Amino acid sequence: AQKVTQAQTEISVVEKEDVTLDCVYETRDTTYYLFWYKQPPSGELVFLIRRNSFDEQNEISGRYSWNFQKSTSSFNFTITASQVVDSAVYFCALSDSTDSWGKLQFGAGTQVVVTP
Amino acid sequence: NAGVTQTPKFQVLKTGQSMTLQCAQDMNHEYMSWYRQDPGMGLRLIHYSVGAGITDQGEVPNGYNVSRSTTEDFPLRLLSAAPSQTSVYFCASSLGRGAYEQYFGPGTRLTVT
Repeated sequence: AQKVTQAQTEISVVEKEDVTLDCVYETRDTTYYLFWYKQPPSGELVFLIRRNSFDEQNEISGRYSWNFQKSTSSFNFTITASQVVDSAVYFCALSDSTDSWGKLQFGAGTQVVVTP
Repeated sequence: NAGVTQTPKFQVLKTGQSMTLQCAQDMNHEYMSWYRQDPGMGLRLIHYSVGAGITDQGEVPNGYNVSRSTTEDFPLRLLSAAPSQTSVYFCASSLGRGAYEQYFGPGTRLTVT
């Protein structure tokens, strides 16, 4: 069965601090996909990154980086030198073969609050 | 491209009323889905469709109906609204299942009194 756990409900940081968001997933599949989405205060959901289960390379995109470790079933997300615009809810999500790949399972989300 | 559009943005219903939340996409995406977002629970899948004429249930389908007569449109019907259906509803679409990222609409905030 699919399951995604984001244990951190809210993280508060001061601008320029780094912040790491944890995501732990469960799946029986060997092929699966992991995603991160951002939901700023305006409410829309924005896709950030996708990672497939065969690619464990870490990825960096500007101030964002992602650490995928199959051994611990984790796909963590780090914002370096946070800015006020990073304040948002961040969701981790998992897609596997459950119901013929029809279902994307989201975690509960982590609220990031960045204060000046 | 308008992307994924949803109407209305806000809606207040009385218990027992019915209504349809509209969703349309202009990206020729095969896969469309409806989620509800409640505090502390992330997004939960209500129904999804892998193409015109094909729909299936998600995690929380009770009280909702869908149909997909065209590739572009995927309306969500509340048959008899209940206070437990107070939520924010998001429609999403993607090129396909599995590996494809989903594009979300702006959401509909529904209150059932």
